[in-house]
Amino acid sequence: DSGVTQTPKHLITATGQRVTLRCSPRSGDLSVYWYQQSLDQGLQFLIHYYNGEERAKGNILERFSAQQFPDLHSELNLSSLELGDSALYFCASSEGGGAQPQHFGDGTRLSIL
Amino acid sequence: GQNIDQPTEMTATEGAIVQINCTYQTSGFNGLFWYQQHAGEAPTFLSYNVLDGLEEKGRFSSFLSRSKGYSYLLLKELQMKDSASYLCAFHGGATNKLIFGTGTLLAVQP
Repeated sequence: DSGVTQTPKHLITATGQRVTLRCSPRSGDLSVYWYQQSLDQGLQFLIHYYNGEERAKGNILERFSAQQFPDLHSELNLSSLELGDSALYFCASSEGGGAQPQHFGDGTRLSIL
Repeated sequence: GQNIDQPTEMTATEGAIVQINCTYQTSGFNGLFWYQQHAGEAPTFLSYNVLDGLEEKGRFSSFLSRSKGYSYLLLKELQMKDSASYLCAFHGGATNKLIFGTGTLLAVQP
């Protein structure tokens, strides 16, 4: 158990819809990272928040947005969903904001029908 | 630019030793990470190298050469449960993010 909690574990929805994925980092960790993993693309970095502020952005679509709240939990919002958004979405956390081991949650499996 | 490369698949025998190689290119570098990921599960942190040389952790060791942009993960006394994908990732310095390779799928056979 990494100590990172993600909900929900599974999400099934339709094209055009909007969903919110939630992540609680390990106790004491200030950084939260979001990744997308699909079968053909490996683990793709989406966005990084440190203590409530955005630190780095990867290949995150404009239809996707995220935020980190004062209690350090984070949410990833995906809107106008397309079939290609079907993937595993992982959240990871680390103590600081630099090059440190990241600890991953169990992920949310998103299926778009 | 930044890129990272590792073999797609490897096969090894239970009890043996296997070495998984990783090469990378980046202008900024703050460390090299290895993760293990079983199918459908979360990646699990294995090792971190920031300086050249070998880091040993039980049955797993990781090596880094910054001048060559090269790392390897060495797994000894292989067990069936070691069958998994092994992900190499570097921290890209000023970009402040981890860049992951596509992973090496290791199959351990009896």
